Amino acid sequence: SSELTQDPAVSVALGQTVRITCQGDSLRNFYAGWYQQKPGQAPVLVLYGKNNRPSGIPDRFSGSSSGNTASLTITGAQAEDEADYYCNCRDSSANVVFGGGTKLTVL
Amino acid sequence: EVQLLESGGGLGQPGGSLRLSCAASGFTFSTDAMSWVRQAPGKGLEWVSAISGSGGGISYADSVKGRFTISRDNSKNTLYLQMNSLRAEDTAVYYCAKDLGVTNNWYFDLWGRGTLVTVSS
Repeated sequence: SSELTQDPAVSVALGQTVRITCQGDSLRNFYAGWYQQKPGQAPVLVLYGKNNRPSGIPDRFSGSSSGNTASLTITGAQAEDEADYYCNCRDSSANVVFGGGTKLTVL
Repeated sequence: EVQLLESGGGLGQPGGSLRLSCAASGFTFSTDAMSWVRQAPGKGLEWVSAISGSGGGISYADSVKGRFTISRDNSKNTLYLQMNSLRAEDTAVYYCAKDLGVTNNWYFDLWGRGTLVTVSS
């Protein structure tokens, strides 16, 4: 099975832009999904595919991909964006793999 | 209302069994693939198992293969996870999650609130 690697923690000043990355071989062939999880809550899908946002997700969330790296960008980070963020993708066996998660702190 | 509601968690003995259920409502359950995803205390998300809408396609993470069995009853809009030979490392919040349905990939657009499974003697 494949692995997805994320930075454990990232911080951003209120209103600034932050990029959260996810690396793995599977990302050369498949787009990542991105999930936001706040303490005590279930994850929420915020981005999927090339750059698609589910209904209700603010447009300050965007995505990109290059080589083996997928990125989630938050443009103008808000206090409510402070959360854990996870990427996921299918692996070579068509199973699911998640990244280890990135804790985003909004300063 | 579109929702998933898990039940069946609790305290399980090492080597014992538990059966989780996930009741779906507000969408056409039989057309959507479903998964179980777990999260150990203070840890990240780990995919456990998936099943196609018809139930004909099933896959498992290596960590649970041979011990856990996923199934679904589309007449009852319910997903199940039979957990046997429980280990301490199975302790986690178990979420059921609905697949968005994008071809050739897995994205989960609806999650339940989770049910806590604790494996301890």
